[in-house]
Amino acid sequence: SQQGEEDPQALSIQEGENATMNCSYKTSINNLQWYRQNSGRGLVHLILIRSNEREKHSGRLRVTLDTSKKSSSLLITASRAADTASYFCATDLALTFGSGTRLQVQP
Amino acid sequence: DAGITQSPRHKVTETGTPVTLRCHQTENHRYMYWYRQDPGHGLRLIHYSYGVKDTDKGEVSDGYSVSRSKTEDFLLTLESATSSQTSVYFCAISESVEGEQFFGPGTRLTVL
Repeated sequence: SQQGEEDPQALSIQEGENATMNCSYKTSINNLQWYRQNSGRGLVHLILIRSNEREKHSGRLRVTLDTSKKSSSLLITASRAADTASYFCATDLALTFGSGTRLQVQP
Repeated sequence: DAGITQSPRHKVTETGTPVTLRCHQTENHRYMYWYRQDPGHGLRLIHYSYGVKDTDKGEVSDGYSVSRSKTEDFLLTLESATSSQTSVYFCAISESVEGEQFFGPGTRLTVL
């Protein structure tokens, strides 16, 4: 079973809009990470949020974590066509990734 | 990209043949991982290593074996390849099991 599951599976937005992706997990964690994968490439780490943090920012990225609900969200603000990719969450210790959210940003 | 390479990048083989994929790192990271990625399944962990000669199974380890005889190399072997092992294989490294993972470029394996 997957430890991290992303939702929605696919998301299509216009350039300049915000994109929100969600992640749910099943067991206790020390941290949760978000990764990005461009088509045909390996995953690239975006941001890590620890279990004692509720929100974290990195450039146009904002991640929230709700350990009581075992969920996290990734917000990309002012999206660009170059943000088109698949986004995955992963929790430590479980070493598993979900199926990802495929984001398409239309120019 | 972090200093992590995979070889070969592409391979086509026949059912029943042995296949070995290599992951090489120049970062001296302790942890190394092998994942497979299939449509609809995301990335699934096959095996991982937490040090030289120290390995453990992941979610989908059946049909795969690994070896790590030195820090920089982590080998994934399919003893007798099957069509269900057609996939894209990614290697990753990290300094700690809780830390950021750095991924290699992937190996596309086709088993006919």
